[in-house]
Amino acid sequence: GNSVTQMEGPVTLSEEAFLTINCTYTATGYPSLFWYVQYPGEGLQLLLKATKADDKGSNKGFEATYRKETTSFHLEKGSVQVSDSAVYFCALSDQAVGNQFYFGTGTSLTVIP
Amino acid sequence: EAGVAQSPRYKIIEKRQSVAFWCNPISGHATLYWYQQILGQGPKLLIQFQNNGVVDDSQLPKDRFSAERLKGVDSTLKIQPAKLEDSAVYLCASSLTRYEQYFGPGTRLTVT
Repeated sequence: GNSVTQMEGPVTLSEEAFLTINCTYTATGYPSLFWYVQYPGEGLQLLLKATKADDKGSNKGFEATYRKETTSFHLEKGSVQVSDSAVYFCALSDQAVGNQFYFGTGTSLTVIP
Repeated sequence: EAGVAQSPRYKIIEKRQSVAFWCNPISGHATLYWYQQILGQGPKLLIQFQNNGVVDDSQLPKDRFSAERLKGVDSTLKIQPAKLEDSAVYLCASSLTRYEQYFGPGTRLTVT
């Protein structure tokens, strides 16, 4: 079956630190991979996506590369800001099951000045 | 472009009462999803519509939950009767392609 596993939090970093949030997946077909972000009191927003192996998604300084050989899609940012404090969700969409989305449990990030 | 609208934003009810949530997707989006997000967890799909047909409702507790999407646009999710474990945020999302979902702000339900 399909599933997403991401590193547990919470994660606390100082401003300008390097961020990595690990995500691995299991899929029956050829999934598309996503990172969503949820700011306090808001709904989920798409942060970036990659639709095939070796694709790199990027947005707002965040990056993630679709690694089929390691079934991973780790999120990275070189220098985090206080405004990046949020919960980050890794997800996959599998066309083989009607494009259903599967989400990880989320990783809470707090960036302190 | 208007986003996904949901109402109400917050609801508090007692167990065994009923409650309904409403969602208006982005115009033109054929696919609509309802998710349940329990505190500290990722969203769990309850039901997925393609236009006004159900694609997947395998994780919908059908003894108490029901959902409909009239005319392939708005959707309503109902819980009757509610249990304490139904306390969660209920998220609606819509999509035009399989590469993106757009989420509404959610409805936070507290069952006491």
